[in-house]
Amino acid sequence: AQSVTQLDSHVSVSEGTPVLLRCNYSSSYSPSLFWYVQHPNKGLQLLLKYTSAATLVKGINGFEAEFKKSETSFHLTKPSAHMSDAAEYFCVVSDPFNTDKLIFGTGTRLQVFP
Amino acid sequence: EAGVAQSPRYKIIEKRQSVAFWCNPISGHATLYWYQQILGQGPKLLIQFQNNGVVDDSQLPKDRFSAERLKGVDSTLKIQPAKLEDSAVYLCASSQFSGGNTDTQYFGPGTRLTVL
Repeated sequence: AQSVTQLDSHVSVSEGTPVLLRCNYSSSYSPSLFWYVQHPNKGLQLLLKYTSAATLVKGINGFEAEFKKSETSFHLTKPSAHMSDAAEYFCVVSDPFNTDKLIFGTGTRLQVFP
Repeated sequence: EAGVAQSPRYKIIEKRQSVAFWCNPISGHATLYWYQQILGQGPKLLIQFQNNGVVDDSQLPKDRFSAERLKGVDSTLKIQPAKLEDSAVYLCASSQFSGGNTDTQYFGPGTRLTVL
């Protein structure tokens, strides 16, 4: 069965410093992987997705993620954090038998300090 | 372009009562999803519609939950009777149907349900 594990429930960074949110996946098939962001009182928004094209995926707001098959990882990074990046981030894998069925991780709360 | 609309935004009920949530997807989106997000967890898919047909309802507790999407547009999700463990945010999402790779899902703001 497909699943994702987000290794940190909370991450705190200072504004202007790099962001790293870690995600490992488990899949018997070539996975489609995503990162979603959820700001307070707002809907979930797609940051980026990997669907077996380039292993380095660029998303919105300066975020990117690298698919590493050997490490079964899909970590999310950003070179310089902004206060507006404070939110909950979810790593997501799709079900290979129903590619529209998304399986979410438990989330990582990102705090950004001034 | 208008996003996914949901109502109500908040609902508080007693256990054993019934409750209904409404979702209006983005215009032209054939696929509609209902997710349950319990505090501290990621969203879990309850049911997926394509037009007015059910694609996946494997995680819908059918003894108490029901959903419909009449005319392939708006959808309602009902819980009857509610239990304490149903306290959660119920998210609706929609996507266009391309028939290829995973279509981008657009999420509504959710309905926060508290069962007392």
